[in-house]
Amino acid sequence: GAVVSQHPSWVICKSGTSVKIECRSLDFQATTMFWYRQFPKQSLMLMATSNEGSKATYEQGVEKDKFLINHASLTLSTLTVTSAHPEDSSFYICSATGGSIPYEQYFGPGTRLTVT
Amino acid sequence: GDSVTQMEGPVTLSEEAFLTINCTYTATGYPSLFWYVQYPGEGLQLLLKATKADDKGSNKGFEATYRKETTSFHLEKGSVQVSDSAVYFCALSGGDGLTFGKGTHLIIQP
Repeated sequence: GAVVSQHPSWVICKSGTSVKIECRSLDFQATTMFWYRQFPKQSLMLMATSNEGSKATYEQGVEKDKFLINHASLTLSTLTVTSAHPEDSSFYICSATGGSIPYEQYFGPGTRLTVT
Repeated sequence: GDSVTQMEGPVTLSEEAFLTINCTYTATGYPSLFWYVQYPGEGLQLLLKATKADDKGSNKGFEATYRKETTSFHLEKGSVQVSDSAVYFCALSGGDGLTFGKGTHLIIQP
């Protein structure tokens, strides 16, 4: 149990366009979801924390108007990269908590975004 | 594929005790290695990292050394505090994404 999926697994978009990434908890209700960014062989960087039904809390330095996060239900959170630029190219990973073990965090497989 | 194995918890220690959390890995190539800490209700925070063999990562009194010969990255601290109570994750990255261990719940009692 406790599976988190992400869609798409990879996406290529042109500069200036927006792209949406979905994160779903498949078999549990995710009270909290986290969005991370990762560069190859580098650490995860926490971008924001979202709780169902409330506004996301963004980490310092993360532009909330550029990275729109919506956590509309207990099983779905979305990250929309607006007006994407090549420097936004990265690997985006979501995770979720809310399973039977309070401290366990379940990670999605990640989404590779390439902006041309 | 890549994998990370770390000791299972919970690990319960008294304040000022010495801490070791074992972590071993299986990977192709030369991955980067990380320790993350998660406090209740919060996202993961990077605790320390090492990017090549024999590198030692250190932060907040915690240390871990990248041992390629034993494929290990054990986390140590000489004197733990109650505030160190959290869940600790060992992870590796060979490129995109990370492979995590299952996490070790550390409880420090006063």
